[in-house]
Amino acid sequence: AQKITQTQPGMFVQEKEAVTLDCTYDTSDPSYGLFWYKQPSSGEMIFLIYQGSYDQQNATEGRYSLNFQKARKSANLVISASQLGDSAMYFCAMREYNDMRFGAGTRLTVKP
Amino acid sequence: DSGVTQTPKHLITATGQRVTLRCSPRSGDLSVYWYQQSLDQGLQFLIQYYNGEERAKGNILERFSAQQFPDLHSELNLSSLELGDSALYFCASSVGGTGPHYGYTFGSGTRLTVV
Repeated sequence: AQKITQTQPGMFVQEKEAVTLDCTYDTSDPSYGLFWYKQPSSGEMIFLIYQGSYDQQNATEGRYSLNFQKARKSANLVISASQLGDSAMYFCAMREYNDMRFGAGTRLTVKP
Repeated sequence: DSGVTQTPKHLITATGQRVTLRCSPRSGDLSVYWYQQSLDQGLQFLIQYYNGEERAKGNILERFSAQQFPDLHSELNLSSLELGDSALYFCASSVGGTGPHYGYTFGSGTRLTVV
């Protein structure tokens, strides 16, 4: 069974600084997708970034980048130039064949 | 607006009751997924439907059931409700039924409170 681990229950970052949210995963399937979602206090789930297991380059979407280290089975999310609006829960997720499974999440707080 | 519509947004009901949560997927998406998020916890996969048929099942209680109708909207039925069923229930949709490269689009969720 797939397993996704987010070891940081909470993180703090100063506004305008970069922050890395950790995610490790476990799978024996060579084909999988890795996703990050943001959940602000309002509750909705917002898709941030996707990385395929066969992608050679790290994915980037604006201020978000995914540091994909396949051999270590890690898919860390890097947020550059943090903004107050980045304060939220962040979930790492992996999909193999069927459904997507999520980690426990990391609560990020951006300090002014 | 993500294109996935969930109703109602909030629901308060008593223990022992039955409720129905509704989800309309994004236009063109054939798969619907239901997730449960309890307070300060991650998302637990409940069930998936693809084009009207059940495709995968997760940690869904026997008191819960779901279906997807010909117009592709889906309903999640929760019965004999307990206090522990209080949670945020998400519906998500995707264009494909399987495969690792299809992401999900989430609805805004239904917050269920059982009193």
